[in-house]
Amino acid sequence: GAGVSQSPRYKVAKRGQDVALRCDPISGHVSLFWYQQALGQGPEFLTYFQNEAQLDKSGLPSDRFFAERPEGSVSTLKIQRTQQEDSAVYLCASSYGQGGSGEQYFGPGTRLTVT
Amino acid sequence: GENVEQHPSTLSVQEGDSAVIKCTYSDSASNYFPWYKQELGKRPQLIIDIRSNVGEKKDQRIAVTLNKTAKHFSLHITETQPEDSAVYFCAATHPPLTSGTYKYIFGTGTRLKVLA
Repeated sequence: GAGVSQSPRYKVAKRGQDVALRCDPISGHVSLFWYQQALGQGPEFLTYFQNEAQLDKSGLPSDRFFAERPEGSVSTLKIQRTQQEDSAVYLCASSYGQGGSGEQYFGPGTRLTVT
Repeated sequence: GENVEQHPSTLSVQEGDSAVIKCTYSDSASNYFPWYKQELGKRPQLIIDIRSNVGEKKDQRIAVTLNKTAKHFSLHITETQPEDSAVYFCAATHPPLTSGTYKYIFGTGTRLKVLA
């Protein structure tokens, strides 16, 4: 009965390192979203999965960002060759229905700091 | 694409007073408008939402109004309490294009401080 969980909660990476952020959505939720939240800003859409299919990745800022959800449950957001501008909180959200038109339940986020 | 503007960016009220936060959106096809509360270091949590076929919705001390013609919606909190202090985000759903995704476009947030 747990909500959306994310790990790690905090990640410090040196510029140029690769990082992998994990999201465990609510069991049975079809839709999964990744957002990037810069300090003092609202969340910005990165990508969307419906089960294992990545239907929208229009918000990914560069080809260094890659997301997957191979079995339609856990998702991983990978950032290659991290840059300082990648520093942000990365939020995962899931919702029950397709397309995400209903309530989205957010995880606690992973705070990424690139030094 | 869709753009959501939110005002004010900060808001201080005395305990017991009302607080109003306003958002405007650009895409007239947007049809779902949630409000999220985010306490410091915590996840955003839905507090109220409204769909485009409804003009107003109320849940205890919280209400949301929607004016589709003017493309704006507002959050109203009455009898504010110190625990209402948080950042509040509005959002508008951008209707699905080819992907079938309802993207949430968030406002920039309002930091509400309720002074005891």
